[in-house]
Amino acid sequence: SQQGEEDPQALSIQEGENATMNCSYKTSINNLQWYRQNSGRGLVHLILIRSNEREKHSGRLRVTLDTSKKSSSLLITASRAADTASYFCATDAFPAGGFKTIFGAGTRLFVKA
Amino acid sequence: EAGVVQSPRYKIIEKKQPVAFWCNPISGHNTLYWYRQNLGQGPELLIRYENEEAVDDSQLPKDRFSAERLKGVDSTLKIQPAELGDSAVYLCASSLDVERGGTDTQYFGPGTRLTVL
Repeated sequence: SQQGEEDPQALSIQEGENATMNCSYKTSINNLQWYRQNSGRGLVHLILIRSNEREKHSGRLRVTLDTSKKSSSLLITASRAADTASYFCATDAFPAGGFKTIFGAGTRLFVKA
Repeated sequence: EAGVVQSPRYKIIEKKQPVAFWCNPISGHNTLYWYRQNLGQGPELLIRYENEEAVDDSQLPKDRFSAERLKGVDSTLKIQPAELGDSAVYLCASSLDVERGGTDTQYFGPGTRLTVL
């Protein structure tokens, strides 16, 4: 079973608006990463946040991590049509059986021009 | 620098037939991953290699799936025989571990879309 769960499953916004996606997970983690996937393509790494960090920025992206709530959020500011894609969170954790990277089911973002 | 290369990009086979996917990771990346991604879902790890050693294959259906990474570079994932439920995108990723100056970032190939009829 997948550990990460993204919310919402789908999001439709106008160009220029901000988009916020959330991710929840179940066990303790080493770090959490966000990836983007355009239709029919492989995943592209966006940003990594470690378990001892609370917030990280990269261009128009802002990621927060709340380990007490086991949740993270990805904020895309001033969205563009090119941001239309699926966004996945992935946690690096140590469940029973050893180190593992687990992806959530993703949020499908549609930015209307 | 070339990214992760996968072939073929698309494959259509009939059930019970064998199929193989090939992956060449980014040069110097010692860790290689195979994932399966079903439609509308996130990638699910099948197997992870550290160099030529499979360190996590707990999610690999070993009755029909096999993988190898000879010489610790490129890798092959095989399904024999394929079933209808194997239709998915098979993604390969690689990373350079922290001890070698990398991060936990995984770099993905474009994937192979498998359709089993």
